[in-house]
Amino acid sequence: GQQLNQSPQSMFIQEGEDVSMNCTSSSIFNTWLWYKQDPGEGPVLLIALYKAGELTSNGRLTAQFGITRKDSFLNISASIPSDVGIYFCAGLSGNTGKLIFGQGTTLQVKP
Amino acid sequence: DTGVSQDPRHKITKRGQNVTFRCDPISEHNRLYWYRQTLGQGPEFLTYFQNEAQLEKSRLLSDRFSAERPKGSFSTLEIQRTEQGDSAMYLCASSLGFGRTGAFFGQGTRLTVV
Repeated sequence: GQQLNQSPQSMFIQEGEDVSMNCTSSSIFNTWLWYKQDPGEGPVLLIALYKAGELTSNGRLTAQFGITRKDSFLNISASIPSDVGIYFCAGLSGNTGKLIFGQGTTLQVKP
Repeated sequence: DTGVSQDPRHKITKRGQNVTFRCDPISEHNRLYWYRQTLGQGPEFLTYFQNEAQLEKSRLLSDRFSAERPKGSFSTLEIQRTEQGDSAMYLCASSLGFGRTGAFFGQGTRLTVV
């Protein structure tokens, strides 16, 4: 079935550093979403992207919808310890609302 | 609290037993989704409802699984004759329409089959 590939799989960075992660797909999506999941909790929506080429920010987070509609990236600037968690990209499939998720990027931040 | 609520948060059951999970979506949301997440993976779609109608089921949803959403409000997911491979986090999400502004997830139910 459809699959999204996220990279890197994990990152271990120093507090204050910037982070970049991306997500690629073999299929076109019309909407890309980025979620963050803490251990034992459900995913929390961070950013939604609707148009190819769109660049959207939410505080220190910035995400872009690739112009081919097959990729997206998420940047986190000036990382802080509470940024620790697993970041998932998701593509919205058709009009069903079904989300196709990547396998996640695990972020660890060293104070 | 106006978020998606799931109950129970954790469930340990013996292999072969039946279990049922409940999800209360955000009240004005007409769509409700169930996902399953295993360790190290992203959530995988199981099924979804628009109001009370179940509109799609994944092939991951074997005939031991059944979901309902009576009256288009809360939903239940039942697993009959549980197997160890059913151990996972079961996540519920809801959205208004087809969720272009994003689906909102509950905290999940962690199932462990021993």
